[in-house]
Amino acid sequence: RKEVEQDPGPFNVPEGATVAFNCTYSNSASQSFFWYRQDCRKEPKLLMSVYSSGNEDGRFTAQLNRASQYISLLIRDSKLSDSATYLCVVNLNYGGSQGNLIFGKGTKLSVKP
Amino acid sequence: DAGVTQSPTHLIKTRGQQVTLRCSPKSGHDTVSWYQQALGQGPQFIFQYYEEEERQRGNFPDRFSGHQFPNYSSELNVNALLLGDSALYLCASSLNGGVPDTQYFGPGTRLTVL
Repeated sequence: RKEVEQDPGPFNVPEGATVAFNCTYSNSASQSFFWYRQDCRKEPKLLMSVYSSGNEDGRFTAQLNRASQYISLLIRDSKLSDSATYLCVVNLNYGGSQGNLIFGKGTKLSVKP
Repeated sequence: DAGVTQSPTHLIKTRGQQVTLRCSPKSGHDTVSWYQQALGQGPQFIFQYYEEEERQRGNFPDRFSGHQFPNYSSELNVNALLLGDSALYLCASSLNGGVPDTQYFGPGTRLTVL
């Protein structure tokens, strides 16, 4: 079983749509959780950290369910500029600077006019 | 404030050759991690360097080695290249115990092995 599994995608949605990405992780000792965004042929960039209480950043909402080992990302009112690959990431270390970031394969999102 | 820089941008090698990739961390960062991203996959952790020592290593063979210099820059060396080593190699820098507690990625070096 892969350490981090994501919806395979691609997701093709119209502008303004709400889209949800799901992710599961296998190691219950995982301590920190993130969503990264990667544009085509570019480096991954941190979108947001994910906390057990859930957190929101503008149109983006992330949720973590430790009991189910499940992470989600909700994007509301999709923009053309949201088109990218979204990577689910976990870390066995607390925080994101140390240790091994474990990435899922990513889910590609394409927002159409 | 310069971000993470990597060189070269692209590289073409043949099987059996050796390659050295370079990374300069973001200003003020002291920790460098290397990742390999094959086409269609997420990045995979190779190793992390802190205080000029390898602090943690992923599931990569000994053909992959690295170094960190006193100025915190780092090199990734790959010996006896295989076709399967073709990938985007990403360097990420961070500040040990710093805020924000995250890794910042460089633009990567795209390695093609023929």
